[in-house]
Amino acid sequence: KNEVEQSPQNLTAQEGEFITINCSYSVGISALHWLQQHPGGGIVSLFMLSSGKKKHGRLIATINIQEKHSSLHITASHPRDSAVYICAVRSDGGSQGNLIFGKGTKLSVKP
Amino acid sequence: NAGVTQTPKFRVLKTGQSMTLLCAQDMNHEYMYWYRQDPGMGLRLIHYSVGEGTTAKGEVPDGYNVSRLKKQNFLLGLESAAPSQTSVYFCASTRWSWRANSPLHFGNGTRLTVT
Repeated sequence: KNEVEQSPQNLTAQEGEFITINCSYSVGISALHWLQQHPGGGIVSLFMLSSGKKKHGRLIATINIQEKHSSLHITASHPRDSAVYICAVRSDGGSQGNLIFGKGTKLSVKP
Repeated sequence: NAGVTQTPKFRVLKTGQSMTLLCAQDMNHEYMYWYRQDPGMGLRLIHYSVGEGTTAKGEVPDGYNVSRLKKQNFLLGLESAAPSQTSVYFCASTRWSWRANSPLHFGNGTRLTVT
């Protein structure tokens, strides 16, 4: 079983829809990252959080440490949001080098 | 700001050839990482460094070597390339690994094909 599971694997939405991507993990963590990978391949850090909720523009990330679960929400989705969204956790028992990555959720927003 | 720069962007190697991938960051970050990304799999850590002159093995280190002679540069070497090393390679850096306000900065990736 993967230590970091994302759902769904693929998501197609219509422009304007509210989108939720989920991340569940099975290890104790010190931080969780949400990353965005565009079709061109570059990876950008969206959020890094260890508790609560963070908001940046139309993006909201939440984390529930007790339930070992995080969600990434996109409000008023737009075709430019089409990308792969990756969840990664830093295990609090692991080495300083290691992030554990999910396999990503591929989002396609249709106009 | 340049951020994290990887060179080259693309490379095709024949089995047995060697090459070095360069990662350079201009943010004075202590921590640097090399990952590989393969279809259907999450990013996997090859090697990492927690400061100038230090390196450590990650999850999939076999067939690769690294060096961090200068703080801003992290080199990934393939001594004898194999088709299994066909992948997209990403370099990343961060200021501190355990702080909540220390995001990762990624390079744009190097697409390597070994024939």
